[in-house]
Amino acid sequence: DAGVIQSPRHEVTEMGQEVTLRCKPISGHNSLFWYRQTMMRGLELLIYFNNNVPIDDSGMPEDRFSAKMPNASFSTLKIQPSEPRDSAVYFCASSRRQGGITDTQYFGPGTRLTVL
Amino acid sequence: GENVEQHPSTLSVQEGDSAVIKCTYSDSASNYFPWYKQELGKGPQLIIDIRSNVGEKKDQRIAVTLNKTAKHFSLHITETQPEDSAVYFCAASPFYNQGGKLIFGQGTELSVKP
Repeated sequence: DAGVIQSPRHEVTEMGQEVTLRCKPISGHNSLFWYRQTMMRGLELLIYFNNNVPIDDSGMPEDRFSAKMPNASFSTLKIQPSEPRDSAVYFCASSRRQGGITDTQYFGPGTRLTVL
Repeated sequence: GENVEQHPSTLSVQEGDSAVIKCTYSDSASNYFPWYKQELGKGPQLIIDIRSNVGEKKDQRIAVTLNKTAKHFSLHITETQPEDSAVYFCAASPFYNQGGKLIFGQGTELSVKP
C-alpha cells in the first residue's frame, strides 16, 4: 500500500495568499484527520471526517481555515488568506473505524508550510 | 474533554539502558492508547498500542502498560539503540466519539547516546 499521500511536501507563500493542502488517505479507510504541528503547540487536531462527513471541526483555528472531503479518496485543507502564524507542518492521517472500534491512525509525511 | 499529559519532555539515556515515558489521561471512558514515534522530517508512526481490556503488551524491545484505575499508561523501551532517538507521542481515544479522535500528549524527545 502507498500509505497516506500528501501534497505538496513543502509550500512557501506570501502573507495573504491562498494555500491548498491535499491528502489522499489509504484505500479502504473511512476516517480522515488533519493535524497541525508546531513547536509551541505540539500536535493539534484541526478537523476530522468519518465517511466523508465532517464530525468535529472545533480545532480549526479561524474562519480562514476550511476543509473538504468530496469523496473517500481525497481531502483538502485550505487557508485563505494565509498569515505568518500559520507556518507549521500539516499532517493528514487516516484510519478505519467500524462498529465503534477505533483502529490505528496512519500519518502522511506532512506538508511544511512557510508563510512569509 | 479528554486531556493527556506526557512526561518527561526530554529524556537522554546511554545505549543499552532502558527508557520509560509516562502519560496520564483524564477521561475514564478512553479505551484505546497508541504510541507514536516521529523521526526528524517524517510523520508520526505507530509503534505499539493497547486497549483498555489489556494491562500490558509487548513487542520485542517495546512494551506498554496501562493502569485504568490510576488513568495512566507508560512506554518502556529496553536495550535502547541510537536509532531509537526520536520524539515519542502518547495518545488516548475516548470511546464515545464518532470518528476515532485521538488526543495526543505533548511529546518526549528521546536521545540515545552511543
